[in-house]
Amino acid sequence: ETGVTQSPTHLIKTRGQQVTLRCSSQSGHNTVSWYQQALGQGPQFIFQYYREEENGRGNFPPRFSGLQFPNYSSELNVNALELDDSALYLCASSLDGGLANYGYTFGSGTRLTVV
Amino acid sequence: LAKTTQPVSMDSYEGQEVNITCSHNNIATNDYITWYQQFPSQGPRFIIQGYKTKVTNEVASLFIPADRKSSTLSLPRVSLSDTAVYYCLGRYSSASKIIFGSGTRLSIRP
Repeated sequence: ETGVTQSPTHLIKTRGQQVTLRCSSQSGHNTVSWYQQALGQGPQFIFQYYREEENGRGNFPPRFSGLQFPNYSSELNVNALELDDSALYLCASSLDGGLANYGYTFGSGTRLTVV
Repeated sequence: LAKTTQPVSMDSYEGQEVNITCSHNNIATNDYITWYQQFPSQGPRFIIQGYKTKVTNEVASLFIPADRKSSTLSLPRVSLSDTAVYYCLGRYSSASKIIFGSGTRLSIRP
């Protein structure tokens, strides 16, 4: 079984630009969550999608938006990039919210640097 | 969601048993306790999850007392490769999202 795949692995953008990060969920998973992790900090919840609908959102501004596709893959879009958006962006997938004992499966993340 | 408190860092030696305790005083009736492990520049990895008493899998044990205000992750016979950050999380059984705290940075020495 395949795990969670994120692309790209690294990205450098200029302040004010827009970025799209992609996530392929693990086979059979229907829930995708996105997290932002600054250096030395724990991951911060951005939002979650369950069967193509957003069903939870953290304390992030509207310029952070997302999408889940019929195959349950997902995108994270960030508009008007700021320097503080520089972080590791993590995608996690699960089946029906991760209530099974295996929890969430995380990808290795996309390292975004805003200059 | 339960607010969790855990030690910022811990040190131990290879071959020792390591116990990391997490406090979650305001845990709700429906909350599960979940632990994740994270290595630098990688995504967190699910270790173990429980609701009460004791849960054991191939890598760890999780002890949750009857009042469920704390939990202890037990790693038997640690090795250098167990050096990582460990996160304790509280999660509603009916909700899907998981909220991370600051974690415990575990350092294993030879």
